[in-house]
Amino acid sequence: QSALTQPRSVSGSPGQSVTISCTGTSSDVGYYDYVSWYQQHPGKAPKLMIYDVTNRPSGVPDRFSGSKSGNSASLTISGLQAEDEADYYCCSYAGNYALVFGGGTQLTVL
Amino acid sequence: QLQLQESGPGLVKPSETLSLTCSVSGDSISSGSYYWGWIRQPPGGGLAWIGNVFYSGSISYAPSLRSRVTISVDTSKNQFSLRLTSVTAADTAVYYCARQLRSNWYYDIWGRGTLVTVSS
Repeated sequence: QSALTQPRSVSGSPGQSVTISCTGTSSDVGYYDYVSWYQQHPGKAPKLMIYDVTNRPSGVPDRFSGSKSGNSASLTISGLQAEDEADYYCCSYAGNYALVFGGGTQLTVL
Repeated sequence: QLQLQESGPGLVKPSETLSLTCSVSGDSISSGSYYWGWIRQPPGGGLAWIGNVFYSGSISYAPSLRSRVTISVDTSKNQFSLRLTSVTAADTAVYYCARQLRSNWYYDIWGRGTLVTVSS
C-alpha cells in the first residue's frame, strides 16, 4: 500500500484554472470510484472538497471539480482565487477497509 | 453540530507508548452510521492514514503500523482512542481524528489535531 503520487507543487494566476493529478494503481484509484480530495491551509485541519471522484459536499464552490481516468484522478480548480492557495491531498480506498493518501500538492496563487 | 477533539500528552519518550483520545460531541459514536479514524501528519509532511474503528469494535489498520497500533472505542464515554507502541522520532506528527460515513470512503468531519513530539 504505497502513497498515491501527486506533484509537489502547482501554481496559477487569479482567474486561471489549475489541475492537480493523483496517480495510484489498479488496486486503488484504478479499481474503486472512491477518490476524495482535501484542502489544507497552514495550521488547519484538512477540509473535504471532493468525494467519490466527482461529488462536492455542500458549501464547496463549483469551481472545484474532480475526475478520474484509469489509475489517475484529478482535481481542477477554475477561476483561481487567492483563498485557494493551500495544500491539496488526494485519498483513495484501497480495499480491505483501508485508505491511502497522496503526498500532497502545494498550490500557489501567483 | 458534530465536533471532534483530540487529547493526550504532547511529549512522549522514545520506546514508550503514545496514547490519544478523540472525544465526540454532537452525535453518538454508537449510532452505527460512521467509522471513526486516525490520520497523522509529520511536520512539513503529508497526511498518512493510521486506521479506523466501528462502534462495534471492528477495526482496520495501515499495514505499515499494524504491529504497533491499537484503535479502540469507548461508547460509554463517546470516545475512541489510539495507542502506538515503541515510538521513535519518526512518529512525531500532528494526529487527527475524523469521521467517515459508513460505506463511504472519505472523512467529512475532522478534529483540529494535536501535535505529539517523540523526544527524550
